[in-house]
Amino acid sequence: SQTIHQWPATLVQPVGSPLSLECTVEGTSNPNLYWYRQAAGRGLQLLFYSVGIGQISSEVPQNLSASRPQDRQFILSSKKLLLSDSGFYLCAWKGGLAGVGETQYFGPGTRLLVL
Amino acid sequence: AQSVTQLDSQVPVFEEAPVELRCNYSSSVSVYLFWYVQYPNQGLQLLLKYLSGSTLVESINGFEAEFNKSQTSFHLRKPSVHISDTAEYFCAVQFEGSQGNLIFGKGTKLSVKP
Repeated sequence: SQTIHQWPATLVQPVGSPLSLECTVEGTSNPNLYWYRQAAGRGLQLLFYSVGIGQISSEVPQNLSASRPQDRQFILSSKKLLLSDSGFYLCAWKGGLAGVGETQYFGPGTRLLVL
Repeated sequence: AQSVTQLDSQVPVFEEAPVELRCNYSSSVSVYLFWYVQYPNQGLQLLLKYLSGSTLVESINGFEAEFNKSQTSFHLRKPSVHISDTAEYFCAVQFEGSQGNLIFGKGTKLSVKP
């Protein structure tokens, strides 16, 4: 069966510090991978998605970046965090060869607080 | 423009009462519809989805949703809620031709009181 992991679970970082959040998927190959941010009262915002190694699509302009160094690894990074980067970050995956209508499965999330 | 709207940000109900969480979408293409549930400090879990066929879909824990194409809605209902149903519920839509990406509503917090 497929599982998705995210770490760390919780992170408190000062403004201006770097960030690296990691997401890994087990039990599937060539998944589509997604990073979402959930901020209070704003629902889920899609930040990045990837259909393959090294292929990253950005949905919104921001000081965050994403990378996919391996098939089942997705990393969210920042060189300098802003207060507005605080939120709950969710990673998700979907079968890569699947068409529309396929379910996205979510990880447990990382809660980031920037002070 | 393609969009998803959940009109109610919070819905308080008493235990064993019925509940309806509303979801409307705007689209000029075919859609695939999902409801996800998020318990506190957890990720999202798929509750149910509509792809095609019967417009009424059900989940294993008593929720159901009905796709209404003419009203562009996919409301979630449960005839009798439990305390354990307290969570945030997200409606999500996948638009045909969108590479499979989901557009989420802003969520509805369901609070079930004893």
